[in-house]
Amino acid sequence: AQKVTQAQTEISVVEKEDVTLDCVYETRDTTYYLFWYKQPPSGELVFLIRRNSFDEQNEISGRYSWNFQKSTSSFNFTITASQVVDSAVYFCALRGVNAGGTSYGKLTFGQGTILTVHP
Amino acid sequence: DAGVIQSPRHEVTEMGQEVTLRCKPISGHDYLFWYRQTMMRGLELLIYFNNNVPIDDSGMPEDRFSAKMPNASFSTLKIQPSEPRDSAVYFCASRAGTGHYEQYFGPGTRLTVT
Repeated sequence: AQKVTQAQTEISVVEKEDVTLDCVYETRDTTYYLFWYKQPPSGELVFLIRRNSFDEQNEISGRYSWNFQKSTSSFNFTITASQVVDSAVYFCALRGVNAGGTSYGKLTFGQGTILTVHP
Repeated sequence: DAGVIQSPRHEVTEMGQEVTLRCKPISGHDYLFWYRQTMMRGLELLIYFNNNVPIDDSGMPEDRFSAKMPNASFSTLKIQPSEPRDSAVYFCASRAGTGHYEQYFGPGTRLTVT
């Protein structure tokens, strides 16, 4: 079974603060993919990043950065110098690939972290 | 390029009525997914299709729910009869085939059953 845990239900910060959203996952697959999605107040789900299990390099995209650590089964997301527009619900998700190489196809989502950035 | 298109964006109906939600995936995408989002249960996968064929419908709540994909550019999710507990936001998502794993979501349909 696969599981994604986002222990932080809600985070509140003031603009320009850095904030880290935690994601811990469980899977028995040796190959898997991790994702982050953003759901702003308007409601749509926006894809942010995909990470492969065989690539542990951290990634930076502007103010966003992701830290992937297989040793701790974590895929944390940091926003540097947060802005009000970052206020949203953020979801971490996992997709496994079984030993035969056939993708399960479906994503397992965490419960989401509500981030509120105050001006 | 157009993203995933869903209609209607909002639907209010009375208990017992039939509801049909529609989705047009991104052109060229081989996979289509239907999700339901509620406060209590979060995001739940209801069913997904690959090349118009249903692959996994284990998330469909009960026989009142049915989904079809008659062609590569159209899918429907039908609830008959609807109940108040079906009130939720229903998302459709699509993704390309092998080598492309991220799903792209539509704007969702907010369903309210009174």
